[in-house]
Amino acid sequence: DTGVSQNPRHKITKRGQNVTFRCDPISEHNRLYWYRQTLGQGPEFLTYFQNEAQLEKSRLLSDRFSAERPKGSFSTLEIQRTEQGDSAMYLCASSLLGTGGYTFGSGTRLTVV
Amino acid sequence: AQTVTQSQPEMSVQEAETVTLSCTYDTSESDYYLFWYKQPPSRQMILVIRQEAYKQQNATENRFSVNFQKAAKSFSLKISDSQLGDAAMYFCAYRSAMDSSYKLIFGSGTRLLVRP
Repeated sequence: DTGVSQNPRHKITKRGQNVTFRCDPISEHNRLYWYRQTLGQGPEFLTYFQNEAQLEKSRLLSDRFSAERPKGSFSTLEIQRTEQGDSAMYLCASSLLGTGGYTFGSGTRLTVV
Repeated sequence: AQTVTQSQPEMSVQEAETVTLSCTYDTSESDYYLFWYKQPPSRQMILVIRQEAYKQQNATENRFSVNFQKAAKSFSLKISDSQLGDAAMYFCAYRSAMDSSYKLIFGSGTRLLVRP
């Protein structure tokens, strides 16, 4: 197991385009989290899944954002009609329910031009 | 709502010396967890140390130790015998024991520079 994998590592897109990021968690981890980290700030919680169920969404997750975790394995985070304010690092983390210990991925850096 | 504050945007330490990074937090809860995470330039966040609020004893992990002052809501990280590999962003984080999501609330981070 190579840890939490995120793809792509970098994404540059034009304003108004849609983008999709993928996160592959550690295989036995049943929880998966998405965080957003803007420059000079700490990560902020966006949403999390337990298996395939999305259990909580932050108010930061506007209607343009959607996340899925089909079959409780990998997860995708889609941003529709991107705005410059969406430029950030998007971090994924996974954990095993009951342990509370996170394993983070290296993130996807999104730049909206 | 809980908040985490790191008032030192950047700290510098000489290799082999000791440095302390500060963190304060605000909460009305009595049971929670506190963490220090390290984010090297490659960006993958890794856990440095963890403290349970109900434990009076300060956590220690090799060269890393914390000074947990519950009444003052302070949670500082001491790095002893600093090494070049310690250079990174360090984030303090809070997790409520009442929140089944286990989501973390992070501070804004402190960039640690290590001078050879």
